[in-house]
Amino acid sequence: SQQGEEDPQALSIQEGENATMNCSYKTSINNLQWYRQNSGRGLVHLILIRSNEREKHSGRLRVTLDTSKKSSSLLITASRAADTASYFCATDARGNEKLTFGTGTRLTIIP
Amino acid sequence: DAGITQSPRHKVTETGTPVTLRCHQTENHRYMYWYRQDPGHGLRLIHYSYGVKDTDKGEVSDGYSVSRSKTEDFLLTLESATSSQTSVYFCAIGQTQGNTEAFFGQGTRLTVV
Repeated sequence: SQQGEEDPQALSIQEGENATMNCSYKTSINNLQWYRQNSGRGLVHLILIRSNEREKHSGRLRVTLDTSKKSSSLLITASRAADTASYFCATDARGNEKLTFGTGTRLTIIP
Repeated sequence: DAGITQSPRHKVTETGTPVTLRCHQTENHRYMYWYRQDPGHGLRLIHYSYGVKDTDKGEVSDGYSVSRSKTEDFLLTLESATSSQTSVYFCAIGQTQGNTEAFFGQGTRLTVV
């Protein structure tokens, strides 16, 4: 079974609004990453947060991590049409070389 | 873009035939991964490598084998393709275990008929 589960599976919002998606995972992690995938393309790394961090920012992206709840959220502020994509969280565990992905959230920004 | 290429990009094959997908990198990264992507399942790890001739299984390894004889090449083989292996396959590379970003190839769309 997969380590991560994103919620919601799909999200549609108006351009300019904020988008929030969540990731829950099952086992203790070392790091958590978020990736974006445009239709028909490979995944592109967005941001990485370590297990001892609680929040991280990168441009319009804000990621939080709650290890007690085994969950993370990705906030995209002031959304743009170009943000339309699928978003995945990925985790790795200490001493385990596997990088495991969740099932993804499909985000659609309505112009 | 990171120097990672997958070949072929598209392939149609018949059930029961062997198929090999190639991932080639020019970044000298230690870690290489093969994933498959299917609707409703996201990305699932098939096999990964942490060095030349060092490989291990992922969560969906049945029916697949891999080889890494050189740092730059990671091959995924379907010994006898089945229709359930119709999928989009992605290769990824990483410099370290998981505390740096992974770079993805463009994917290989495989159809088994």
